[in-house]
Amino acid sequence: QQKVQQSPESLIVPEGAMTSLNCTFSDSASQYFAWYRQHSGKAPKALMSIFSNGEKEEGRFTIHLNKASLHFSLHIRDSQPSDSALYLCAVPNTGGLSGKLTFGEGTQVTVIS
Amino acid sequence: NAGVIQTPRHKVTGKGQEATLWCEPISGHSAVFWYRQTIVQGLEFLTYFRNQAPIDDSGMPKERFSAQMPNQSHSTLKIQSTQPQDSAVYLCASSLTGGAVTGQLYFGEGSKLTVL
Repeated sequence: QQKVQQSPESLIVPEGAMTSLNCTFSDSASQYFAWYRQHSGKAPKALMSIFSNGEKEEGRFTIHLNKASLHFSLHIRDSQPSDSALYLCAVPNTGGLSGKLTFGEGTQVTVIS
Repeated sequence: NAGVIQTPRHKVTGKGQEATLWCEPISGHSAVFWYRQTIVQGLEFLTYFRNQAPIDDSGMPKERFSAQMPNQSHSTLKIQSTQPQDSAVYLCASSLTGGAVTGQLYFGEGSKLTVL
């Protein structure tokens, strides 16, 4: 059974700063790693995903994946108030490539002006 | 594209009553997932259909929860004899593939169930 944990639970970041979020997983066979973002009262929406070790950048967002450490992270450059949301990491539940995702409990990010 | 549509958005039931939640997935998506979200437990997987067939219901409390997908455009989650601990936001998601290759999940905005 895949276990996914996120840290920190919450974060307050000044506008323009870097936001860094962490996610650990338990199944070393996992092959897909994703971040979702959920604004208050809204649906979670996929932000970014990665399949292989290393780094992937899309605009202000970067994912780092280190499979050996069972860890991946999300970094948001030049954080904006609109980035304030609950960030959820997700990994396939049974490891490998599976249609079912296990989510972490989330990191609540607040960006203050 | 209207996205995943869930109804009702809010439902209040008395303890012991039945609640039925509906989900219309994105047209053309082959997989439909149900999750439950609470402050304490976070986002928990309940059940999953692919091409209308039930694939995995390992997250469903067996006695009172049931889910069906009678056609490709409609899934329901039924909770019998609701209890206060069933209070949560129930989220439906669909995915283009949902099988051999993990695909992006598209979530609806959820049905907030409150059991008094």
